[in-house]
Amino acid sequence: DAGVTQSPTHLIKTRGQQVTLRCSPKSGHDTVSWYQQALGQGPQFIFQYYEEEERQRGNFPDRFSGHQFPNYSSELNVNALLLGDSALYLCASSKAGEQYFGPGTRLTVT
Amino acid sequence: KNEVEQSPQNLTAQEGEFITINCSYSVGISALHWLQQHPGGGIVSLFMLSSGKKKHGRLIATINIQEKHSSLHITASHPRDSAVYICAVRLGSSGGSNYKLTFGKGTLLTVNP
Repeated sequence: DAGVTQSPTHLIKTRGQQVTLRCSPKSGHDTVSWYQQALGQGPQFIFQYYEEEERQRGNFPDRFSGHQFPNYSSELNVNALLLGDSALYLCASSKAGEQYFGPGTRLTVT
Repeated sequence: KNEVEQSPQNLTAQEGEFITINCSYSVGISALHWLQQHPGGGIVSLFMLSSGKKKHGRLIATINIQEKHSSLHITASHPRDSAVYICAVRLGSSGGSNYKLTFGKGTLLTVNP
């Protein structure tokens, strides 16, 4: 079992562009959560997907959107990138109380 | 006030020392996680606790639900333990399907040889 995987590992984008980040959950996990971790800060909850629907959302603008596929994998999309969106984006998959984190995607917006 | 408070923010120790990192929270939780993050790296789950105590190797985690407090202990610390240790709580009652975590700001541990 590969655990939680994320792609890409690193990404550089320009302000105003759009980005898509991907997450494959641990085998058997059906819930995917996304977090943003700015440099020197703790992770902040973006949203959570279960059964292909957004179940919970943190305090992030609509520029942040997501999707969950039937195989439980998930995408995080960010439109109209701002410099402040530069961060490590973490995906966590969950089932029955256990939660595992992926290695993250480091996004740099220039 | 943050719902999850960690102390200390920074901790420097000599190799072999016993380390304690504390976490306090202000709301009802169903579980508490201790996580480890090396500089520039992703997050690794160390423990998930809802009561009592867990041990894995040199790491011990305890939680006191009544006092809303948890501690992470590292025995015989080693330079490779140097990392940020993060406490995160899952709000609400146990058995629920809410997996959203609220994180503390982390404790930066540096263990010198």
